[in-house]
Amino acid sequence: AQSVSQHNHHVILSEAASLELGCNYSYGGTVNLFWYVQYPGQHLQLLLKYFSGDPLVKGIKGFEAEFIKSKFSFNLRKPSVQWSDTAEYFCALSNDYKLSFGAGTTVTVRA
Amino acid sequence: IAGITQAPTSQILAAGRRMTLRCTQDMRHNAMYWYRQDLGLGLRLIHYSNTAGTTGKGEVPDGYSVSRANTDDFPLTLASAVPSQTSVYFCASSAGTSYNEQFFGPGTRLTVL
Repeated sequence: AQSVSQHNHHVILSEAASLELGCNYSYGGTVNLFWYVQYPGQHLQLLLKYFSGDPLVKGIKGFEAEFIKSKFSFNLRKPSVQWSDTAEYFCALSNDYKLSFGAGTTVTVRA
Repeated sequence: IAGITQAPTSQILAAGRRMTLRCTQDMRHNAMYWYRQDLGLGLRLIHYSNTAGTTGKGEVPDGYSVSRANTDDFPLTLASAVPSQTSVYFCASSAGTSYNEQFFGPGTRLTVL
């Protein structure tokens, strides 16, 4: 069985602060990993994805994530957040047809 | 191009009633999915369809049914709604399976009383 866990339920930080959201997964096979973002009142959008190759992947809006196979982790980072980054962030793992999501982390950025 | 549309946007439903949530995509994607989003649980897959004419059960299929008569439409039916089905429902689609990004619709907020 596959599963995804996100360590932080709610993160509050100030503009220009750095952000790191933890994501760990459990799956024995080859993984495809994603980070999705849901801005208030909007639907989910893809931030970035990892399938193979360079374990450091860059996404939209200055986000990046690092796949560390030995730690079963795929943490999301942004060096300097903006108020507009206030959203809910979901880590997800794909195996064949199925996307398994973590519970999500709500990020609140204070101006 | 609209992408994925869902209807209705929101609905309040009495327990025991039948309800169909509609989902249409215009991207000619093969695969479509229904998720429910609940606080603290993230998104959970209800049903999926890899291609028109086929469907499969996801993580939480009980109380729901789907059909995929054509590529574009993937309705989700609650035969007899119960309060535990109060949730936000998202439809998604992808060109293939695990290697392709899933695109999500705007969601339907359903309240069962």
